[in-house]
Amino acid sequence: DIQMTQSPSTLSASVGDRVTITCRASQSISSRLAWYQQKPGKAPKLLIYKASSLENAVPSRFSGSGSGTDFTLTISSLQPDDFATYYCQQYNRYWTFGQGTKVDVK
Amino acid sequence: EMQLVESGGGLVQPGGSLRLSCAASGFTFSSYWMMWVRQAPGKGLEWVANIKEDGSEKKYVDSVKGRFTISRDNPKNSLYLQMNSLRAEDTAVYYCAKFKRGEDAFDMWGQGTMVTVSS
Repeated sequence: DIQMTQSPSTLSASVGDRVTITCRASQSISSRLAWYQQKPGKAPKLLIYKASSLENAVPSRFSGSGSGTDFTLTISSLQPDDFATYYCQQYNRYWTFGQGTKVDVK
Repeated sequence: EMQLVESGGGLVQPGGSLRLSCAASGFTFSSYWMMWVRQAPGKGLEWVANIKEDGSEKKYVDSVKGRFTISRDNPKNSLYLQMNSLRAEDTAVYYCAKFKRGEDAFDMWGQGTMVTVSS
């Protein structure tokens, strides 16, 4: 099984901050990685697919990078609507998620 | 408007059964792989099962193999998850979701239905 490890588990930030979340796969997954945003009581929302492709209607302040085993999600300027939990997901072999990174108010 | 709406969740005793349904609308349901993903209370996301467009191929996470069965009825635009021999560790919100065309990421999700396994 491919394990996905995110860091940090919790990130405290302020509006306007640049935020970076990392995700590491236990083996190479090429660029078959997605990022999701989830707010309490809501379903996840796809932000990024194929490691760096922005999903339709997702603000351009979100970006993704990486390939192989190391990936990052960057929010260039954190907005009030961005406080949420973020998950990476590999889809190279079956589907596994990272444990999540909660972005909360500093 | 594209939509997925789950139903069928509830409280069930250990060893019991439950059937979840997911009604799709606003897109050509028969053209997409579909899946179930679950989230235990306060925990992360776990892929459970998925099914090919025509139902000919199904995949399951190891922890539910032999207990859960995914199926679909394309004329009814519906996805199902039959859950048997339920355990306390199956307690979770169950989401149905669809694959993004050309990618194996999940681009549309339902609102989820809660399954609680407890005596």
